[in-house]
Amino acid sequence: DAKTTQPNSMESNEEEPVHLPCNHSTISGTDYIHWYRQLPSQGPEYVIHGLTSNVNNRMASLAIAEDRKSSTLILHRATLRDAAVYYCILKETSGSRLTFGEGTQLTVNP
Amino acid sequence: DTGVSQNPRHKITKRGQNVTFRCDPISEHNRLYWYRQTLGQGPEFLTYFQNEAQLEKSRLLSDRFSAERPKGSFSTLEIQRTEQGDSAMYLCASSLARGSNYEQYFGPGTRLTVT
Repeated sequence: DAKTTQPNSMESNEEEPVHLPCNHSTISGTDYIHWYRQLPSQGPEYVIHGLTSNVNNRMASLAIAEDRKSSTLILHRATLRDAAVYYCILKETSGSRLTFGEGTQLTVNP
Repeated sequence: DTGVSQNPRHKITKRGQNVTFRCDPISEHNRLYWYRQTLGQGPEFLTYFQNEAQLEKSRLLSDRFSAERPKGSFSTLEIQRTEQGDSAMYLCASSLARGSNYEQYFGPGTRLTVT
């Protein structure tokens, strides 16, 4: 599986936007970019995924660079409940497994 | 609550004992996955089923581990002769595989402690 690189940790203030970066320079043409998050003492939770175009859903937005070698997960207004580990994952079109890295620990300050 | 349930939530066992965990996926989901997560690390894939067929197993899944999904509904993961290195959170996920991409819904996990 292609590898992703994320910062170990980031901090944000409540009600401010958060931009979580992910580098994936070895991405292949058929890899989708998935984001999951894991709140303390819970299983991972799907956030969003995309292939080439930017994507929006009720939880977040995903901005994908034109060359697809990086992406950014955007939380528009962080809440305390968004404090979690965020994982950026490349998933092959035909693949089934998710290959998690160590993710980014997001701290949200009140 | 994602709709995926796992039992038990916590299990403490002595080294050398056998343990079995159960996962009940979302009812219409045809795929079921098992992952293992140790402290400070992301989850690691162990195996997955499509309906009742086990289609992929990780090299992490040693001979002491066996998983089943009879009738394509719930699944069990058994660890025989547990070792201290088996202490981890065991996560189950399910998905409805259609098209080329789909999200996985995770349960809360079973935390195993081997003493």
